[in-house]
Amino acid sequence: NAGVTQTPKFQVLKTGQSMTLQCAQDMNHEYMSWYRQDPGMGLRLIHYSVGAGITDQGEVPNGYNVSRSTTEDFPLRLLSAAPSQTSVYFCASSYSPVDRAKSEQYFGPGTRLTVT
Amino acid sequence: GQQVMQIPQYQHVQEGEDFTTYCNSSTTLSNIQWYKQRPGGHPVFLIQLVKSGEVKKQKRLTFQFGEAKKNSSLHITATQTTDVGTYFCAGLRSGGFKTIFGAGTRLFVKA
Repeated sequence: NAGVTQTPKFQVLKTGQSMTLQCAQDMNHEYMSWYRQDPGMGLRLIHYSVGAGITDQGEVPNGYNVSRSTTEDFPLRLLSAAPSQTSVYFCASSYSPVDRAKSEQYFGPGTRLTVT
Repeated sequence: GQQVMQIPQYQHVQEGEDFTTYCNSSTTLSNIQWYKQRPGGHPVFLIQLVKSGEVKKQKRLTFQFGEAKKNSSLHITATQTTDVGTYFCAGLRSGGFKTIFGAGTRLFVKA
């Protein structure tokens, strides 16, 4: 199993550009989520999905879109990049966040995004 | 909205000293998880606590979940240089699907 994979590892964008961060998992997990990590602020939840076709907003959803057409993939789209979106983005998955035995989240290696 | 506060933000210790990080939620939690992130790496799951008053141990690490299920702590006995990194708590609000992370405590261990 590859676990959770993310591409690209690094990206530089100009203000106003759009792009998609890719995330895939091969563990047949129902739950997937996107976090951004900024110094001193920990991991903040952007969007999450409890299954294919179902997505919902997290703590900081503005400026980001997601979709979940398959169980495996959960791409994050930046519609019009802003310098405030400079951050490290992590994708994570788990079998179920509410199942006591299966809520462990597995994280991808992250995407380091810089918006100039 | 749900908030998870974690203190301290940083902790410097001499190797062999103990270390504790505390986590407090504004709402009752269904469970709390702890993760460790090494510098330049991604968060790695350590443990999950579910029951009120639960205590779990992993070698030198002791995790506690408060009686009201709103607070938690991680205690490391006799720290080693391999313990360096940032420790995060993450809480799942009762009845919800959002797992909210604390800001983390970064541990520095001096040999």
